[in-house]
Amino acid sequence: DGGITQSPKYLFRKEGQNVTLSCEQNLNHDAMYWYRQDPGQGLRLIYYSQIVNDFQKGDIAEGYSVSREKKESFPLTVTSAQKNPTAFYLCASRTGQGTEAFFGQGTRLTVV
Amino acid sequence: AQSVTQLDSQVPVFEEAPVELRCNYSSSVSVYLFWYVQYPNQGLQLLLKYLSGSTLVKGINGFEAEFNKSQTSFHLRKPSVHISDTAEYFCAVTLNSGYSTLTFGKGTMLLVSP
Repeated sequence: DGGITQSPKYLFRKEGQNVTLSCEQNLNHDAMYWYRQDPGQGLRLIYYSQIVNDFQKGDIAEGYSVSREKKESFPLTVTSAQKNPTAFYLCASRTGQGTEAFFGQGTRLTVV
Repeated sequence: AQSVTQLDSQVPVFEEAPVELRCNYSSSVSVYLFWYVQYPNQGLQLLLKYLSGSTLVKGINGFEAEFNKSQTSFHLRKPSVHISDTAEYFCAVTLNSGYSTLTFGKGTMLLVSP
């Protein structure tokens, strides 16, 4: 089945550590996105990529980094510079303009 | 830039009653509009979308929405809700020209009780 796979589903991190969230899609979509979700704040865009080897900052990119070396993969690194990393992270992809986004099941990151 | 306002953070309703979840958008150009549903600790699932054509859009699970360009609204409706409709609902907008990301509202929690 085609879809988007995020792993792990739950992740615990100690303060000061970097952590990488995985996102893989087999939908052959060009564009991929990372959103952060906090209670009552909806989805906020962290980074997005329209093509391989290119990505742009979203609204809340500080403290995060991404790479897009393959069309299928768009990993997100939460660095120690991110002040409040505890959140639910959602990865999405879509084919292009005017189309809906397809979402993974999310990764819940907790900093302990 | 586009923006979305979901007017209610929470909507309580009894089972089998009708419901309307409100969404207003702001944009200087034409848009595409979407409604998504999210169950606890899961990703978002598309309910329906408006790209062009008929302003009344039908989606999955008996939901429908009406695009009103003059009022810049895209309200979601269901004539009779079930307990299983309890979830969070997100309205989203993207521009229909050039490249544009999806912008989401803050969500409306639909609480269906027996």
